[in-house]
Parts: sequence; C-alpha cells; structure tokens
Amino acid sequence: EPEVTQTPSHQVTQMGQEVILRCVPISNHLYFYWYRQILGQKVEFLVSFYNNEISEKSEIFDDQFSVERPDGSNFTLKIRSTKLEDSAMYFCASSDRGLEGYTFGSGTRLTVV
Amino acid sequence: RKEVEQDPGPFNVPEGATVAFNCTYSNSASQSFFWYRQDCRKEPKLLMSVYSSGNEDGRFTAQLNRASQYISLLIRDSKLSDSATYLCVVTDSGGYQKVTFGTGTKLQVIP
Repeated sequence: EPEVTQTPSHQVTQMGQEVILRCVPISNHLYFYWYRQILGQKVEFLVSFYNNEISEKSEIFDDQFSVERPDGSNFTLKIRSTKLEDSAMYFCASSDRGLEGYTFGSGTRLTVV
Repeated sequence: RKEVEQDPGPFNVPEGATVAFNCTYSNSASQSFFWYRQDCRKEPKLLMSVYSSGNEDGRFTAQLNRASQYISLLIRDSKLSDSATYLCVVTDSGGYQKVTFGTGTKLQVIP
C-alpha cells in the first residue's frame, strides 16, 4: 500500500533555530497538507498546497512557517525560528480526492528546547 | 462554541459492549463529515465517511443529523483492538482545503 513518508521521525532543536520537516507524498497525489498535534491536544490544520501554491492556511501558519515542493517529490515544512510552543507532532498528508483519499504520514515529533 | 466538539472520555467498556460517541459541529455550512481513529502517538487513520443517509461498515455505524448539527458513531460488539481515540472530522470543502478535527473521544475496551 502506498505510504506518505516523513523524516526525521524525531527532531530536537534549540529555540531560535530553523528546522525543515520533510515529507514524500504518494506519487500520484495532487493535494498536500501539514497538520500539527501538540501532546494531548487535537490535530490542527496548518496549510494545504495544490498546484505548487498554498491554497489555504490557518492562523497558526504565520510568517515563521513556509512550505515548498522543491523537486516534485518532496514536500517540506520550514519553521524559521522555532519557539518552545512549536513542540508538537507534525503530520504530513496527501490526497487525490479530498479527505476520503487522505493518507497521513507517521509524523515527525519536534521537540524545541 | 468550539468548531467541533467531542466528549473526551475516556469511555471504558467491556469487550462485546456497544458504545456510542457523539460529535457536534458549529458551522452549518459544513459539507463533509468523517470519523478517524488515532492510536496513541500515531497518525490519524480514516475509519469511515459519514453520509446523510447514514452508513454502516461491519460493526461500525455512522449517522449524521444536519438539523441538530451532530454526527454519531456506534460500535457494536467492541473488541480490545477498538481501543483508540476516535476523532470527529468536519470540512466545508470535501477536505480539499481546511479540515477541522475534534479533540477526540478515548475508548478503552476492557477484557
């Protein structure tokens, strides 16, 4: 079964550092997403990406965040200057047909110290 | 009012029991509804879509009540493997853009 692959599985970074979280979506999917889940809290939408541009973003997705699909296969989330409150599990998802076609990656646990 | 609201539980039920979860949503323009399952520290996985006419998949039945803006999930003959957090998910666009997750209801099935 096709998978969405996320790397690394766990990243520890110092406050103020930049991090890049990487995702390889399923190859024939056209819609890409990032979500985050702070420990013990709900899954929160960050951004959706289609046709090489952001189609929607949440209020969480401020100027510190950016997404890219640099080479047609990887889909990355960059956090420019990490804060303690950015510590969370970050899930990438891709889809070919909206939520019914979503496949989530297994997530990257980001710990900011 | 929260966009998508669920009773966090936990619901502790014996094996073989029937258990039901409800979820309310605030946006009357919401179009699509889903139940997802999330195991501890894992990614969410689609359990089932929720259609206006209701739908059933084995031991799982989902219902939608648009007038009262809630959806429900019924699990019959609970198995130990059903232990997880069940997430109510709502979208106003079929899921192509913003998707709103509830906080989840934790189910623990006890031997």
